[in-house]
Amino acid sequence: DVKVTQSSRYLVKRTGEKVFLECVQDMDHENMFWYRQDPGLGLRLIYFSYDVKMKEKGDIPEGYSVSREKKERFSLILESASTNQTSMYLCASSLSGEKYEQYFGPGTRLTVT
Amino acid sequence: GEDVEQSLFLSVREGDSSVINCTYTDSSSTYLYWYKQEPGAGLQLLTYIFSNMDMKQDQRLTVLLNKKDKHLSLRIADTQTGDSAIYFCAETSPEGGYQKVTFGTGTKLQVIP
Repeated sequence: DVKVTQSSRYLVKRTGEKVFLECVQDMDHENMFWYRQDPGLGLRLIYFSYDVKMKEKGDIPEGYSVSREKKERFSLILESASTNQTSMYLCASSLSGEKYEQYFGPGTRLTVT
Repeated sequence: GEDVEQSLFLSVREGDSSVINCTYTDSSSTYLYWYKQEPGAGLQLLTYIFSNMDMKQDQRLTVLLNKKDKHLSLRIADTQTGDSAIYFCAETSPEGGYQKVTFGTGTKLQVIP
C-alpha cells in the first residue's frame, strides 16, 4: 500500500512566522504535489515536482515555496505566514504516465492567527 | 485555466440512488476521475474513465461521460451512510503532461438514515 504522510495534522502559527510543512511518500513516486483545500473552492494546486530538485508552479504559488532534495520528501514553505493562508494543505504523489492516480496524505490544517 | 464545476451539496436517503454531476471545459481532457474524501482524510481514487468511453460500471458505481456536452456523472446505487463524503471530479490532459490534475470544487454527499 502506498503511504503518504504529512508531518502534522494540526498546526497553529502566528502571522509573519516561517512555516514548514513536510510530506513523505514511500513508493518511489516521481511526482509530488501540494494543494490547498478551501470550502467552495475545491483543491487548488500550489506547486508540484516531477523529479528531485525540480519544481513547477501550480495555480496559486504566491506566498509559497517548495523544496525537494530527496525523491521521497517534498516540503512546502510559507516564508511569512499570513491569515489568508489559513487552510487545509494536502500533499499527494503519483507515478508518471497517463492515468496514474494521485495518492494523498491525510492533510494538515494550518491556522494562522 | 481549465475549469471543473460541481454542485456543492447533495442530500439523499439511505437506500436511494445518488447522482453527482460535473462539467468541465477542457476539450482535450483524456482521463476523468472521481475521488472520495471521507471526513478527516485525504482523497482516494474511486474510479476513472477514459475519454473514448461513455460508461463504466464498478459494483455500485456507474460513471457516465457525455463528451459532447463535457458532462460527467457518478451514480451510486443503494447509497449507504458510509458513502457520506465529499466527492471530487477531476481531469487530466496531454497539455498538463497528465501529471497535473484539475479538481472540481467537490460535492458534499449527505446520506440520511
